[in-house]
Amino acid sequence: QVQLVQSGAEVKKPGASVKVSCKASGYTFTNFYIHWVRQAPGQGLEWMGIINPSRVGTSYAQKFQGRVTMTRDTSTSTVYMELSSLRSEDTAVYFCARGAPGGTWFGELLYSYFDYWGRGTLVTVSS
Amino acid sequence: QSVLTQPPSVSGAPGQRVTISCTGSSSNIGAGYDVQWYQQLPGTAPKLLIYGNNNRPSGVPGRFSGSKSGTSASLAITGLQAEDEADYYCQSFDSNLSASKVVFGGGTKLTVL
Repeated sequence: QVQLVQSGAEVKKPGASVKVSCKASGYTFTNFYIHWVRQAPGQGLEWMGIINPSRVGTSYAQKFQGRVTMTRDTSTSTVYMELSSLRSEDTAVYFCARGAPGGTWFGELLYSYFDYWGRGTLVTVSS
Repeated sequence: QSVLTQPPSVSGAPGQRVTISCTGSSSNIGAGYDVQWYQQLPGTAPKLLIYGNNNRPSGVPGRFSGSKSGTSASLAITGLQAEDEADYYCQSFDSNLSASKVVFGGGTKLTVL
């Protein structure tokens, strides 16, 4: 069965960076895009970006441009999301989610709905 | 401020029918992009409820249905059950250069009375 297993909770100080992992299993890793979505306490869902695991290809929401980097390791079927220059407003649960087959092309990346989600990783930014 | 607009809350008694609206614009729902709905139970990850405007993944009860018209979409839940109490989010795509490619509604909290 499809599983997205995320790394554990993190506590960081303002100005630091955090790197969250998302290990995929139960399907061919390189065939499906991975998205990152975050949710601040008591707030809604916010899309951060997308990565194509089969080759170099990422796109980030404008809000996170310059602060977020998404990478992948095909040998371990793992996607990483690194967020730098952390501030208190970045305190949130960070989810990885798999893009379903098909979808809509924006540039060279295929955007689809999210058929499987990781359980989320709580990142707390506090001095 | 979410790109897609949902009511903050709706409620209904067990067995009743409720609907949740999702209003967008000409750059997202009105541009023809599909609408999805996700259900989020407290303390858990969102779960896909409706995709492609009106399609249910296997395992989702037929009590849940979706529709789309113009720049809006709706989620309907019939035969309301206590276990339906959750937050519901609509999601679509947006071609506006200043917006994210993926957009969500602000979420609607469903209370089963």
